[in-house]
Order: sequence, then C-alpha cells, then structure tokens
Amino acid sequence: KAGVTQTPRYLIKTRGQQVTLSCSPISGHRSVSWYQQTPGQGLQFLFEYFSETQRNKGNFPGRFSGRQFSNSRSEMNVSTLELGDSALYLCASSFGSGRADTQYFGPGTRLTVL
Amino acid sequence: LAKTTQPISMDSYEGQEVNITCSHNNIATNDYITWYQQFPSQGPRFIIQGYKTKVTNEVASLFIPADRKSSTLSLPRVSLSDTAVYYCLVGALMNTGFQKLVFGTGTRLLVSP
Repeated sequence: KAGVTQTPRYLIKTRGQQVTLSCSPISGHRSVSWYQQTPGQGLQFLFEYFSETQRNKGNFPGRFSGRQFSNSRSEMNVSTLELGDSALYLCASSFGSGRADTQYFGPGTRLTVL
Repeated sequence: LAKTTQPISMDSYEGQEVNITCSHNNIATNDYITWYQQFPSQGPRFIIQGYKTKVTNEVASLFIPADRKSSTLSLPRVSLSDTAVYYCLVGALMNTGFQKLVFGTGTRLLVSP
C-alpha cells in the first residue's frame, strides 16, 4: 500500500505570494492533518480534515487554510507569505479521526520564503 | 493548553536500553499518547501508542503512570540506526471544543559505537 505523498517536495516563494501544497493520504484513510515544523517552534499542528470537514484546528492565523476533497486528498493554502512561514510542512493521514487512530506522515514539503 | 516537554538530547551506546520521558501535564481524559521517530528530511514515523499502564510492540515499550501526566518510551538494545529525534504526541482539549494535537519538543538521541 502506497504511503502518504506530498507535492511538491520543495518550493521557493517570495514574500506576499501565496502557495498551495497538496497531500494524498494512504488509500482508505479519511482523515488528513497538517503540521508545520521549524527549528525554533518544533512540530505544530495546523488543522485536521475528516470527510471534507475541518474537525480540529491549531493556533495559526487565517492566512493558513485548507480543504479536503471527496477522494480524501487535501490541500493547504498559505496566503500573503511571510519570511517566518519558511518551514517543513508535513501531512499525516489516518483511517479515522479518533485519538487512537495512528497518524502516518508524508515526507513533507520544504517551503522557503525569500 | 497542554505543555509537552522532553529532554533536548540524550546520548547512548549500542546495546544499551534508552528511556525517554515526555511530560504532558494537561492531557485530556480520552487522549492517547503516541511516539514518533524522525530522521533528517523525513516525516515522523510511528513507533508506539498507548492510553495507560504499559504497551509493548516489537520495537519499543511505552510506560504510562496512573496520573497520565507523563509517559516514557523505552528502546531496548539501541543500535546506531536508532540515532534520530523522538517526539511524543498528545491531544489537548481547548476551550473551543476542538482538540489540539501537541507534539513534544523532541529528544535528539545519539547512539555511539
């Protein structure tokens, strides 16, 4: 069974631009979560989608948004990019949305904002 | 909101047992505790998950005391390939009604020959 895939793997943008990242979960998984990883802040939870609905959200500004499609694929969008948005963005999928559902992570998208 | 802390780093030698503790003082009643391993430029990889007492699988054990305010990941007989960063993950119920998934600060384990 294929793992979680994320595209693109690397991305360079400039301040003020917007970016869309994509995540394809493991086949059969209906929950997708997004995380931001930086050296200074570590791994921080952005939001979780289950059956096309946002179920949980972290403490990020409204510039960070996401959506999930009927096939469970998810996209994350960041508008008006700031230098501090440079990070590794990780997507994780799980079968369900319960706390006992193990999350499996993709390789991440490395975003650099210049 | 949960504050989840771990030691920044640990050193060990091949063949030794390593215990990494995570403190999660505000864990929600129904939340599970999950541990992940991360290598550079890769996403975290699931190691083990538990709710209370002790859980064991083929690679690790997880010890959770009765108050669940901490958990300890135990890696038996580590090898050089266990050199990585280890994270605990717990859920924290916010006053908004949403759960926020909180990763620990991460422990960098260095295994030497």
